[in-house]
Amino acid sequence: GAGVSQTPSNKVTEKGKYVELRCDPISGHTALYWYRQSLGQGPEFLIYFQGTGAADDSGLPNDRFFAVRPEGSVSTLKIQRTERGDSAVYLCASSLGYGTVAFFGQGTRLTVV
Amino acid sequence: TQLLEQSPQFLSIQEGENLTVYCNSSSVFSSLQWYRQEPGEGPVLLVTVVTGGEVKKLKRLTFQFGDARKDSSLHITAAQPGDTGLYLCAGSPFQAGTALIFGKGTTLSVSS
Repeated sequence: GAGVSQTPSNKVTEKGKYVELRCDPISGHTALYWYRQSLGQGPEFLIYFQGTGAADDSGLPNDRFFAVRPEGSVSTLKIQRTERGDSAVYLCASSLGYGTVAFFGQGTRLTVV
Repeated sequence: TQLLEQSPQFLSIQEGENLTVYCNSSSVFSSLQWYRQEPGEGPVLLVTVVTGGEVKKLKRLTFQFGDARKDSSLHITAAQPGDTGLYLCAGSPFQAGTALIFGKGTTLSVSS
């Protein structure tokens, strides 16, 4: 596609529920990143994929968070047993490869009530 | 852990004033990127600096990469209300397989 697409743009869920956030990267981009951003703060790294594999998942806060990219394109960030502290904007970015310019999607605003 | 410190965190100025935002680290980066983000949107890339000492200009914005590739600055001349937003610096580590590291951002407000 023309840019990085994230769906849904907004998600409200109840505490304890499971959510999935989707990212469609720019076509041909092998690197994909997930970040989490609180209001007025810089993005906080969660996980980085190179192709289908997670090259670095050191930013995932705990085992309730998991991400997949089975075919090396679309990625899904999965959050189990959501907590109110998970509320944030989740940003996805893609790039041609390591060290090249990253382009961001518009983000998914997750609100856990 | 590599960190990028951005300063100031908040900046509120009048239209026409000049300002500088700083991005500092104790680590060396292969490149450094500056982004601007508006509410409800993802960060949009402004510039990438790669060479130590490099200076790039984008209209009224001047970006500089430190000689040692550990720090960078963004200078805006004659700020306008349209410059309002969150400015983020992000460093690309030398270590392969490591994602961009972001600073906490500078929130700029320019009033007319």
